[in-house]
Amino acid sequence: GDSVTQMEGPVTLSEEAFLTINCTYTATGYPSLFWYVQYPGEGLQLLLKATKADDKGSNKGFEATYRKETTSFHLEKGSVQVSDSAVYFCALSSYSSASKIIFGSGTRLSIRP
Amino acid sequence: EAGVAQSPRYKIIEKRQSVAFWCNPISGHATLYWYQQILGQGPKLLIQFQNNGVVDDSQLPKDRFSAERLKGVDSTLKIQPAKLEDSAVYLCASSLYTGTGVEAFFGQGTRLTVV
Repeated sequence: GDSVTQMEGPVTLSEEAFLTINCTYTATGYPSLFWYVQYPGEGLQLLLKATKADDKGSNKGFEATYRKETTSFHLEKGSVQVSDSAVYFCALSSYSSASKIIFGSGTRLSIRP
Repeated sequence: EAGVAQSPRYKIIEKRQSVAFWCNPISGHATLYWYQQILGQGPKLLIQFQNNGVVDDSQLPKDRFSAERLKGVDSTLKIQPAKLEDSAVYLCASSLYTGTGVEAFFGQGTRLTVV
């Protein structure tokens, strides 16, 4: 069945460092891809999404490009801030999985001042 | 606009007891999801409703878990009897409709501890 694999954490970076969180997927057909974020004490919220190959999703300085050839959707940010400390989840949704959202295991990110 | 409301926020019960969680989705959202998030793991879908019909309940342990969505609005998820391995955060989410690119909005979850 469909699945998402993302890099294990925790990831600890200094403020203003470059961030990459890797995500790869397995799916039949052409899924939509998402990054959700969970800030401490809050619920999951959508960070960005891409619905077709080569699309780039972006929000709050984060971006991710849908790469069909490598089945990847890596999350990047050029300069992280302390406020970016959170757990990040890569996810997909596809018709072959009845459009349900399938999540990766999450990557905890901590940013040092 | 009001978000997805869940209650209670926290619940501690003994094993073999029963428990119920409540969810009120965003107004007008046809699709409602219940997810189970065990510590250190990603959310796992338990059941998905489209209005008051079940779209997917393939990962719902039906011998102990049940869910309903009366009148296609509010939903309750029940566990009876609870086991230690049911300790998790139970997340409710809703979306306008069922589709691959549709954003789901999540509530803050109910943290269940079974002792």
